[in-house]
Amino acid sequence: DAGVIQSPRHEVTEMGQEVTLRCKPISGHDYLFWYRQTMMRGLELLIYFNNNVPIDDSGMPEDRFSAKMPNASFSTLKIQPSEPRDSAVYFCASSTGFPIGGYTFGSGTRLTVV
Amino acid sequence: QKEVEQDPGPLSVPEGAIVSLNCTYSNSAFQYFMWYRQYSRKGPELLMYTYSSGNKEDGRFTAQVDKSSKYISLFIRDSQPSDSATYLCAMSARSGGYQKVTFGTGTKLQVIP
Repeated sequence: DAGVIQSPRHEVTEMGQEVTLRCKPISGHDYLFWYRQTMMRGLELLIYFNNNVPIDDSGMPEDRFSAKMPNASFSTLKIQPSEPRDSAVYFCASSTGFPIGGYTFGSGTRLTVV
Repeated sequence: QKEVEQDPGPLSVPEGAIVSLNCTYSNSAFQYFMWYRQYSRKGPELLMYTYSSGNKEDGRFTAQVDKSSKYISLFIRDSQPSDSATYLCAMSARSGGYQKVTFGTGTKLQVIP
């Protein structure tokens, strides 16, 4: 298995533009997580899906962020409009649910909003 | 106060040294405890996983949990330059019907050859 695949690896965009991050989880993993990592705040859970259904989106910072999982092999995280404070590394992770907290992370998307 | 506290380091040790990485937590509901290793420009990878208080060993790595003190540790024996990475503790508790995982901010470790 190729692991969790994220694209793009790097994204530089101007403030106000729409940004779409993509994730392909590991086949057979029922859970998918979107995290954001910054030096100040560490890893923060944004949203997670179970069997393609959003379960908890309480970590989504505001209405500018949205996430979808149209099928078991694909998910997107969209930011519209983007702001400089959104600059961070965004990780997608997937899991079978066991062990609890045992996630496989992708390599992340480094987002810079200028 | 954060639920999970972790010294950011950096921690520099000579090759072969024993490394001790630690986290403290405030939420007594945490049940599962994990350690992740994150190399530069990569995603975190699960290193150790434990449920109960006590020690769990895997090769050169030992995870220790002391629930009474709300303190967890990761020990690395015979440290190698390839161990140079950021180590994140993580712990989970039931919240709203599911297990919510909280990560520490990570300790950066450098092993000097």
